[in-house]
Amino acid sequence: ETGVTQTPRHLVMGMTNKKSLKCEQHLGHNAMYWYKQSAKKPLELMFVYSLEERVENNSVPSRFSPECPNSSHLFLHLHTLQPEDSALYLCASSQDFAGGLYQETQYFGPGTRLLVL
Amino acid sequence: GQNIDQPTEMTATEGAIVQINCTYQTSGFNGLFWYQQHAGEAPTFLSYNVLDGLEEKGRFSSFLSRSKGYSYLLLKELQMKDSASYLCAVRKNDYKLSFGAGTTVTVRA
Repeated sequence: ETGVTQTPRHLVMGMTNKKSLKCEQHLGHNAMYWYKQSAKKPLELMFVYSLEERVENNSVPSRFSPECPNSSHLFLHLHTLQPEDSALYLCASSQDFAGGLYQETQYFGPGTRLLVL
Repeated sequence: GQNIDQPTEMTATEGAIVQINCTYQTSGFNGLFWYQQHAGEAPTFLSYNVLDGLEEKGRFSSFLSRSKGYSYLLLKELQMKDSASYLCAVRKNDYKLSFGAGTTVTVRA
């Protein structure tokens, strides 16, 4: 399924910049997720929102700030990032955050490839 | 905590069968997912297992043994388009997924 879109697809930013990543899901899902994917490393869960409420902040530095204005949209605001934050940032959604594996199956967007200089 | 291990790379010939193993050590195990990720693309859902046994979906099958902390993804009748990374992910009692680093499968003609 390609019901999850992310913009921009690529982003280059300096360490002093402020930028935002956007995710939109067209699947009518209630839960949305941000993941970080670095080369040769497992996906790292960053944030989880269920019904627009944050249910997980996985020890993520405060330079990453999520926002979920409604169940279809999710943002990740970036501020004073470090070069080691360069990675692929993936958004995902699922029918529900909890409720069984069918409802919790996550569908991913194509990601934003971020480079911090 | 959790520890999820998969081989880093595997190579196989078109038309062959490949088995990707995934072992895990985790507290609060409550299911396992497999995802496929082509280079530069989003991970896409393949299968999940919550009970022991084999789940078959066309050319792909996934097996789980909870007592052994072991799963495998079986890809049959390999096609060139199956060249991708395959991600094993464990669902814990807190509903979160923990992913392995992925296995890159290269299919050769």
